[in-house]
Parts: sequence; structure tokens; C-alpha cells
Amino acid sequence: DTGVSQDPRHKITKRGQNVTFRCDPISEHNRLYWYRQTLGQGPEFLTYFQNEAQLEKSRLLSDRFSAERPKGSFSTLEIQRTEQGDSAMYLCASSLADPSAGTQYFGPGTRLTVL
Amino acid sequence: AQKITQTQPGMFVQEKEAVTLDCTYDTSDPSYGLFWYKQPSSGEMIFLIYQGSYDQQNATEGRYSLNFQKARKSANLVISASQLGDSAMYFCAMRDLGNFNKFYFGSGTKLNVKP
Repeated sequence: DTGVSQDPRHKITKRGQNVTFRCDPISEHNRLYWYRQTLGQGPEFLTYFQNEAQLEKSRLLSDRFSAERPKGSFSTLEIQRTEQGDSAMYLCASSLADPSAGTQYFGPGTRLTVL
Repeated sequence: AQKITQTQPGMFVQEKEAVTLDCTYDTSDPSYGLFWYKQPSSGEMIFLIYQGSYDQQNATEGRYSLNFQKARKSANLVISASQLGDSAMYFCAMRDLGNFNKFYFGSGTKLNVKP
């Protein structure tokens, strides 16, 4: 399977704990995106990388959230001191940078539950 | 202002019939792209179809077609010959010049295909 993969698929944690999610994009894609999706809503953009550079962050990404893509391949999203409001599906997507081929392909998501 | 509006929270369709899912968008950029994604209960966002703002013809992909009416700023998804496996959430998304690096998603339409 050469699609976008995410790990873990599900995470249950207690309020105040730190969590880290991983995303492996499609190998030839140089752009990687993180989205958050709450129940009954469409995904909301959090941040994106081109290669290893983080080029844009949403206001939704508070200082408790940090994302990295150290070698321009996989990415991690860390949430520190989790709150119940962080409970959501976290989706990763990847695409080529070419404007004519910028369709984003999504992974299966990580569903976070903060107790 | 909301960029993407999906006014049908839920739809029912009989198996083997066609169904249209509505999507209207808002942008002042002359160049933009419109996308439809399917999200089954498993959570993964599956890319279905893409329409560019300069495309002269409506996009088609198998049983999916996009009814693109530029003057009305609508990009409705038509699914022909519905199948039980089409039951899922469907999201319309847009990328425009001012926000090339992220998608704006609508709130989705839950489609139920009845046997």
C-alpha cells in the first residue's frame, strides 16, 4: 500500500498528558498537511509543510501543538497538556507542489479521545 | 465568510438511482479548484473528483460527475446508479489562489443508500 499512513489510528489519553501522532505521506509528495475534524464538521486546516519547512500554521494551532517534518518525509504532530476540547480526528494529507496536480490524498486519521 | 456551503446535512437515495449532492462556494479569485471527497465510517477521506475553474467541461470519474455552474458558484456532485457502498459522508472542498496551500471544506452531506 503506497497511500498516506497514520499511526496510531486511535488514542485515548487523560487530560494533561502529551500525545504524538505520526504521518507517512505518499513517497513522492513533497507537501504534507495536518487537519483536525470534529464530529459533524468538515476538516479544518492546521498546518502544512513543503519538504521539511513548515510554511503555514492556522490560528487553531495553539502553542500546545507542535508539528515537525525533520527530513522532509514523515511528520509528527504533538499535543502537550491535552484538553478535552482536543478530542477530534486528526487527518494528514499529502500532495505534489505542482499547482496542476495539487490534489490532497488523505490518510485514515488518528482519532483522539481526551478523558 | 464561509467558503464552502453544503446545505443538505442528510440525503436518502434508493439503490440504483441517481443522487445530486449540493455544494456552493465563495471566492473572488479567478483560479480555483473544487474537489469532492467521500468519508466512510472508517474515517479516511477518499478523493473522488476534481474540477478546475478554467475547465470547459464538467469533470467525470466513473459513476461520479461534477455539475459545475460557474456563474452560480455551484459544484454539485452527481452519483449515478447508487450502490449500498456509497453510503458515507461526502465533503466538497475548494482551493483558491489566495489559499493555495490548504483546502476549505464544507460541513458535509451524509448519504444513505437504501436497498
